[in-house]
Amino acid sequence: AQKITQTQPGMFVQEKEAVTLDCTYDTSDQSYGLFWYKQPSSGEMIFLIYQGSYDEQNATEGRYSLNFQKARKSANLVISASQLGDSAMYFCAMRRENTGNQFYFGTGTSLTVIP
Amino acid sequence: SQTIHQWPATLVQPVGSPLSLECTVEGTSNPNLYWYRQAAGRGLQLLFYSVGIGQISSEVPQNLSASRPQDRQFILSSKKLLLSDSGFYLCAWSVRLTSAYEQYFGPGTRLTVT
Repeated sequence: AQKITQTQPGMFVQEKEAVTLDCTYDTSDQSYGLFWYKQPSSGEMIFLIYQGSYDEQNATEGRYSLNFQKARKSANLVISASQLGDSAMYFCAMRRENTGNQFYFGTGTSLTVIP
Repeated sequence: SQTIHQWPATLVQPVGSPLSLECTVEGTSNPNLYWYRQAAGRGLQLLFYSVGIGQISSEVPQNLSASRPQDRQFILSSKKLLLSDSGFYLCAWSVRLTSAYEQYFGPGTRLTVT
């Protein structure tokens, strides 16, 4: 069974500092995708960043980067230069290949940026 | 561009009443479609997904059902709601047959069963 683990239920970061949100996953699949989503209090799910299992380079999207360590099965999200608007829930997700393309989500990390 | 619609945005229903939530996608064809439920302060629970018209896979046994009568329409239903059905329901779509693409989510429906 596929499992996504986010061990940090809540995190605090000072504005303008960097923060790392942890995510580990468990799968026997060879091909899969890893994603991070942001969910502000409004409830919408906003896609942030994607990492493919065969990608050798860590993904980056603006202030977001994904620290992908395949052997350790971890896909941590790094947010640089935190802003007040980054306060939200963050979910790590994995998508399986070739099996209905199911997505599996972690339980989320609540990030609070302190001014 | 693709857009995903969900309605209603909020819903208050008594226990034992029926439910119908609708989701439609525009600007794409043959999408995978998904229904999730999110309890307050919790993660997303995948309820159903569909890879084509009439093809529904259920992830969690419950008193909910889903249907896909058209390529870009996904409906979540219940004949009799339970208190435990309260939550935030999200519809999503994705490109099929590859893990390289993300899901796109609708705005969600907040359901309160009283």
